[in-house]
Amino acid sequence: EIVLTQSPGTLSLSPGESVTLSCRASQSVINKYLAWYQQKPGQAPRLLIGGASSRATGIPDRFSGSGSGTDFTLTISRLEPEDFAVYYCHQYAALPYTFGQGTKLEIK
Amino acid sequence: QVQLQQSGPGLVKPSQTLSLTCAISGDSVSNNRAAWNWIRQSPSRGLEWLGRTYYRSNWYNDYAVSVRSRITINPDTSKNQFSLQLNSVIPDDTAVYYCLRDGHDYSNYFFADWGQGTLVTVSS
Repeated sequence: EIVLTQSPGTLSLSPGESVTLSCRASQSVINKYLAWYQQKPGQAPRLLIGGASSRATGIPDRFSGSGSGTDFTLTISRLEPEDFAVYYCHQYAALPYTFGQGTKLEIK
Repeated sequence: QVQLQQSGPGLVKPSQTLSLTCAISGDSVSNNRAAWNWIRQSPSRGLEWLGRTYYRSNWYNDYAVSVRSRITINPDTSKNQFSLQLNSVIPDDTAVYYCLRDGHDYSNYFFADWGQGTLVTVSS
């Protein structure tokens, strides 16, 4: 099983700032089959990024993903108030599919 | 626009069977580029993939080891939906359950669409 470790656990930031979230895999994620999701309270996760760096339909370009192998990042430029949420990475390269434990972005 | 609509009881007694259905609009459960998954989320386990069904000339299933002896995921082509059955539930199965459609489109872009979630509580 591929274990995904996200860091940091919680970040306190202000709107307008930029942030980079980290996701480290316990073994290589083949084909860069790594996704990022945003989840707000009471809602299902929403796909932001697939294939490590491809934005999903309708996702603003202030969201960008990069990485390969075991190290992946999600960068959010110029945080908007609606970006404060929990972010999860997810690998779909190997069964069982796994998720990171999440990084919570909170407003400072 | 693909939409997944979940239905099923929110309270299940210990040792009984948890049953949920996910109705699909905007796609076919027989789409050979998609897979139909069940995920659950709880404070103790986080997001946990439970299993999937998918059609590639035949129907296939994959299940998580943690629930393999208790889980069944079935497609229903006549109603364009798929279902989750989890037998012999215990309080630790209490979670929000989600259905999820994922796969790669013809341009090889990954897609993922989630149901709205169902809080299932296991309690007598």
